[in-house]
Amino acid sequence: SAVISQKPSRDICQRGTSLTIQCQVDSQVTMMFWYRQQPGQSLTLIATANQGSEATYESGFVIDKFPISRPNLTFSTLTVSNMSPEDSSIYLCSVAGTGAHEQYFGPGTRLTVT
Amino acid sequence: AQSVTQPDIHITVSEGASLELRCNYSYGATPYLFWYVQSPGQGLQLLLKYFSGDTLVQGIKGFEAEFKRSQSSFNLRKPSVHWSDAAEYFCAVGARDSGGGADGLTFGKGTHLIIQP
Repeated sequence: SAVISQKPSRDICQRGTSLTIQCQVDSQVTMMFWYRQQPGQSLTLIATANQGSEATYESGFVIDKFPISRPNLTFSTLTVSNMSPEDSSIYLCSVAGTGAHEQYFGPGTRLTVT
Repeated sequence: AQSVTQPDIHITVSEGASLELRCNYSYGATPYLFWYVQSPGQGLQLLLKYFSGDTLVQGIKGFEAEFKRSQSSFNLRKPSVHWSDAAEYFCAVGARDSGGGADGLTFGKGTHLIIQP
């Protein structure tokens, strides 16, 4: 399985600011995904990030709030914009290789908005 | 759209006892099914997966799961639990993409496993 890293591992941010989370993979992967895990909750898919195309967002998530970049096959970023306390969550990226359907997850970024 | 139900929010098991965690899914065809484990402060680790074929799948750490199409279930089992198995367990379903690619996963709410000494 791929080795996935995320930066930052955690951050405390003020309301109204933005944070960009990085996801780096040690090998080229076709599919990258971003999930949110609110406190004590399960994971919810935010969007699918494919290299060379716009990200595909799930219902309830919009590009203005969660812009995503996927400049190459090993890297992606998720920005949480104009943050409010409700954005306090763990944000996780995951990857899936070509023809593979299992996903492997990064360690997550724990975000607290005050 | 697919959905996943994990009916047990918490389960307490004595160390050395057997374990079964329940998972039911809703999907129009045969889905891809997964179990992940999340230990405190850790990311998600894939325990096992079902794509097709043999309905009893073996995973890491001594876990197995059985796909039962008639019951839309994919229950996770372990014959003898260890204290280190205490964690949050998530069942997930993925749609079969006609293009051959992976789709995002839909997760159940999770089952918190407590191990009693």
